[in-house]
Amino acid sequence: EVQLVESGGGLVQPGGSLRLSCAASGFTFSSYSMNWVRQAPGKGLEWVSYISSSSSTIYYADSVKGRFTISRDNAKNSLYLQMNSLRAEDTAVYYCASSTLFDYWGQGTLVTVSS
Amino acid sequence: QAVLTQPASLSASPGASASLTCTLRSGINVGTYRIYWYQQKPGSPPQYLLRYKSDSDKQQGSGVPSRFSGSKDASANAGILLISGLQSEDEADYYCMIWHSSAPLFGGGTKLTVL
Repeated sequence: EVQLVESGGGLVQPGGSLRLSCAASGFTFSSYSMNWVRQAPGKGLEWVSYISSSSSTIYYADSVKGRFTISRDNAKNSLYLQMNSLRAEDTAVYYCASSTLFDYWGQGTLVTVSS
Repeated sequence: QAVLTQPASLSASPGASASLTCTLRSGINVGTYRIYWYQQKPGSPPQYLLRYKSDSDKQQGSGVPSRFSGSKDASANAGILLISGLQSEDEADYYCMIWHSSAPLFGGGTKLTVL
């Protein structure tokens, strides 16, 4: 059974940093690209970042470019999102989702940016 | 103007069919894109339903009932998610997505009410 489990969310002050993790199991993690998608409270889905299976290709949404960094460790079956210079508008549930199909999603981790 | 536009809400009766539309911005030809559809129930992550480009290029998500299907209306430049035999459990938010210029873009979502 495919499982994606996010962690690392929490309350952070504006300008602060947070690192999210996504632990994958039940599939060959190293063969699949991965994504981070976020959803602000009561709002729709917003794609944040993409990383290819080998980390050779990385994309970011304009809203996070220069502040967020996606990475992965295939040996640990893990995906990461380093978030710096956080803003109130980054407050959201952050999901990791697999492949270009977004066919499997984690349960999400809530990031709240507030003073 | 958003790249993908979905009606905010739609209501339909149990047992009936519902057509959810995803209209692409003028100048972006629906015929060249795979349209992905996702279902999200309150408090849960999105679930992949299906992908549709043409009758020869389509994919159903794992375990997704065949009463969920995709199509296109070229004259309206729109992708369509058709749900037949509506059930109360189909009440949810539905999102479309395309890959455009190396970035996945989500529509704003349609809240489907079954009553």
